[in-house]
Amino acid sequence: EVQLVESGGGLVQPGGSLRLSCVASGFSLSDHYMDWVRQAPGKGLEWVCRIRNKASGYITDYAASVKDRFTISRDDSANSLYLQMNSLRTEDTAVYYCADITAQVTRWGQGTLVTVSP
Amino acid sequence: DIQMTQSPSSLSASVGDRITITCRASQGIGISLYWYQQKAGKAPKRLIYNAFSLQSGVPSRFSGSGSGTEFTLTISSLQPEDSATYYCLQHNSFPYTFGQGTKLEIK
Repeated sequence: EVQLVESGGGLVQPGGSLRLSCVASGFSLSDHYMDWVRQAPGKGLEWVCRIRNKASGYITDYAASVKDRFTISRDDSANSLYLQMNSLRTEDTAVYYCADITAQVTRWGQGTLVTVSP
Repeated sequence: DIQMTQSPSSLSASVGDRITITCRASQGIGISLYWYQQKAGKAPKRLIYNAFSLQSGVPSRFSGSGSGTEFTLTISSLQPEDSATYYCLQHNSFPYTFGQGTKLEIK
């Protein structure tokens, strides 16, 4: 089955860190540009960051709200995408989705919930 | 950053109705626009790419139009399963930005 599966969400205190993972199955991530998108409870969608593929130099881009706190990375040999989140704030509470937004055949994971609370 | 202003924020319509949702970009984005449908507790599903191209498997009652700064999503004959929240997304430049969403209720 072709799918993306996120993991690593949970409850963390403000100022803490968390690492999200996204594993692809049924297809190879290596050629894809990959993104993280989040959705706070009851709110709209927010694009978080992107990492390009090897051919494009693994260049990354970030939303201003997470720049210098979050780091997107990938391990093509493990068919995986990661999001290292540091200095977490209560406003980072959201469901985090991994996705290949701009692919012709786009895929999204089911999301993983991150809750930042004292 | 490019701001995407989506309207209306909510909409109530009946089965068989034709409805239109609009997204306005704060600057020109060509046709670099997607439309998504999101149902409660689920990941978004892309309906339209490149402003007016129908994603494979999406019913033909969905259509998109526009370019530059004005875009519309039209559902020509509403079905009960169309009850969802709809979002536009510009992917012309970073940071990518979503519209605020339109919650569609079927009466």
